[in-house]
Parts: sequence; C-alpha cells; structure tokens
Amino acid sequence: TQLLEQSPQFLSIQEGENLTVYCNSSSVFSSLQWYRQEPGEGPVLLVTVVTGGEVKKLKRLTFQFGDARKDSSLHITAAQPGDTGLYLCAGVTVGDYKLSFGAGTTVTVRA
Amino acid sequence: GAGVSQSPRYKVAKRGQDVALRCDPISGHVSLFWYQQALGQGPEFLTYFQNEAQLDKSGLPSDRFFAERPEGSVSTLKIQRTQQEDSAVYLCASSPRDKNYGYTFGSGTRLTVV
Repeated sequence: TQLLEQSPQFLSIQEGENLTVYCNSSSVFSSLQWYRQEPGEGPVLLVTVVTGGEVKKLKRLTFQFGDARKDSSLHITAAQPGDTGLYLCAGVTVGDYKLSFGAGTTVTVRA
Repeated sequence: GAGVSQSPRYKVAKRGQDVALRCDPISGHVSLFWYQQALGQGPEFLTYFQNEAQLDKSGLPSDRFFAERPEGSVSTLKIQRTQQEDSAVYLCASSPRDKNYGYTFGSGTRLTVV
C-alpha cells in the first residue's frame, strides 16, 4: 500500500488549460515536497511545504499543504508544453527522516 | 561538484552477474539516500547514510543488495547475482542536513538484467 496516493495517474490537456494534481494520505507529514521528473533524469525539487495550510507559488504553479498536513495539491495555470513531465509528491512523516513517494502523475500538455 | 553524479548511466548485466553503481553526492552533503524506481512508478527507498554511517537499510530488497559510503562522500550500491526483477532505475540523492531540506537527485543508473 502506497503511503501517498496521487491522482489522477495520467492527465492530458491542451496548452492554456489549467490542471490540478492531488496527493493524499492518512499519515501526518512534517514536510511534503513536489518534484518533476523528465524521462532519463532524476526528480527535480519544485517546492517544500512544512506548515499546515501553507500555500506557495512558483510562477504558474501553486502548491497547497492541507491544514492537517495529510494532503497537498499542485495547480498549474495556463499550462505550457514545457510543463510536460512526471509530477511526484513525496513526504517525510512525523518522526521519520526518509522521503516516501507517491506513484506520480504523468502530465502531457499538447501544443 | 555542482550536482549529484551517478555512474554508469546505463548498465546491462547478464543474470547472475554482480554490478556496482556509483554515486558522487554534492560536496559537503551529510545525508545520502538510494532509491529504486520501476518504470512508471515513484521511487522506493532503499537505504540511508548519514556521513559514513548506514543508519537505515530497511528498504534493501534482499541480502544480495549492499551499500557503502566508507569516507562519507562517494557511495556504492552493489548488487550480487543479479536477477531480472532487479531491472530498474537506481537513484541517488543527497541533502545538506535533515529531513526538511529538499534532496538533490542524480540522473540515475538504468540497470537492465537480461
């Protein structure tokens, strides 16, 4: 059983549309991170959130950490083909030190 | 170095062969992790080093897997008597301090066992 459940598994949208990826768990996290991974490369860190209710913005990307620190979402506004990739959420549960990853969401933005 | 470097990038091994995968973390990074990533899946934790000490090896799939970091910098993941189910991408990540810091990943080694 995956500690972090991501949805949807696949997402294909047209350039200019918005999209949201969800990351849910029954566990409480001391920190949660979002990564983007392109084929043949390692995951690249996008953001780290540590406070319940926290919202962080990175250009067209908005990240939210749930109030109870059990879930998170990634919202992309006006998606571009360069946003295509595998988006991974990963968290460190309270009292632990290692990252546990979700299975990922494959996002394809068509021009 | 500027990033985490892994070598080789690709490795094809015959079943039963031993392999060694190398990770060069960012200089000065205390924490080093190894992950295994199957196709279309998220990375799965294998083992964790803090400097030269291997503090957690709970994710290693079997006793054929062995990791070391003797001087607290370069790490090697060794797989003995490789099996087809070992085929995956092996990722190394390093972090300057503790759990709330983002990890920097290498590009990984894609291992194919034939």
